[in-house]
Parts: sequence; structure tokens; C-alpha cells
Amino acid sequence: QVHLVQSGAEVKKPGSSVKVSCKSSGGTFMNYEITWVRQAPGQGLEWMGRIIPILHTADYAQKFQGRLTITTDKSTSTAYMELSSLRSEDTAVYYCARNGDIAAAGLWGQGTLVTVSS
Amino acid sequence: DIQMTQSPSSLSASVGDRVSITCRASQSISNHLNWYQQKPGKAPILLIFAAGSLQTGVPSRFSGSGSGTSFTLTISSLQPEDYASYYCQQGYRTPYTFGPGTKLEIK
Repeated sequence: QVHLVQSGAEVKKPGSSVKVSCKSSGGTFMNYEITWVRQAPGQGLEWMGRIIPILHTADYAQKFQGRLTITTDKSTSTAYMELSSLRSEDTAVYYCARNGDIAAAGLWGQGTLVTVSS
Repeated sequence: DIQMTQSPSSLSASVGDRVSITCRASQSISNHLNWYQQKPGKAPILLIFAAGSLQTGVPSRFSGSGSGTSFTLTISSLQPEDYASYYCQQGYRTPYTFGPGTKLEIK
């Protein structure tokens, strides 16, 4: 059975960067689109961006352009989400998810809490 | 960007009730619409993809319909484990925007 396992919680200072990992256990990692979604405390789901590993192409929501980088490492079946210039509003749980057709995210990581605080 | 709206934003219903949640897109998205359920502190779960296809393992009391700009998620007979938040998401064009969510509460 395939799982997505994310790295642990982070506490960051404003202005710094965070890099969250998402490791796929089992399955064919490179054939699926990986999406990153975040959820601020008490708020809804926010789509951040996606990567198509086999094409090495990523695109991002306009809101995160210039601050967000999504990458993959084929050798370890791991996706990464790096967000820079952190501010308090970036405090959220960050999820990775594996997409099927029509961007339907059928497999999710457990989430990673990122807290931005001085 | 394609904007997604949902109604109602919250809903109170009893076990056994039939419940419907509506999702609307700001432009036509064909059938590129997915529904998720999320419980507090947990990752979302995919319920319905392509507007009306039931994800494997999801109970048949969940169903989805619609195309173009208007979509509906229906729970035919509410069970205690269905009390959660529900989100629609368009998969037509990036950014794959989510609706604001509907919180389903016990009446």
C-alpha cells in the first residue's frame, strides 16, 4: 500500500524559509502529479502548487509566485515544498497529495504544521 | 483564476437525513470537479472525482452530480461519521482552487 509521509513540525522566524518533505513509500512516484495544499488554523484548504515529476515541471498559485519552490528527488521518491520570506500568515498545516485524473487528490500525507513566530 | 463557491457554509442535520451541498464555479469546468471530506486534525479524503464518480472505498450513500458551473454533493442518509467539513475543488485549470467549505454539524 502506498503512503505519503511528511517531515515533522517546524517553528520558524519571520523572514526565514522552510522546506517540507513528502516521501512516497511504494508505488510509481514519478508518474503522478504531486500537489501541495495548506490550511491555516480554522480556515479552509488552499491550493499552493503542483509538480509533474516525470516532466520536471512545476506551477504555482499566483499568490506564492517568487516564494514557493516545489521539487522532487526521483532517487528517494520524495517531493519537497520550500516557502521563503515567511510571515505569521504562513502559519498553517501543509499537506502534500498525489493526484489522479482531473487533479483528484486520492492520497494525502499526514500534514506538517509550520509555525511562524518571532 | 477560477473561483469556487459553496452553499451553505454550514448545515445542521440529523442522522438519517438526506443532505445536499452545492458548489458553483465562476466559469465552465466541464465535469472537472472533486469533493473531499475533512475531519478536525485529519487530512482530507477524496469522496467524489469527475463530478459523479465515487472514489474506491467511499460508501454509496455519497453521490455527486452536475456539470459546467453547478455541482451537488448528496448524502442520502446521514451517518454519525459523516459530520465533517466538505470541500469542492476544480481540476480544470491551475490553480486548482477549492471552495470555502461546508461544515456539517449534528442537529
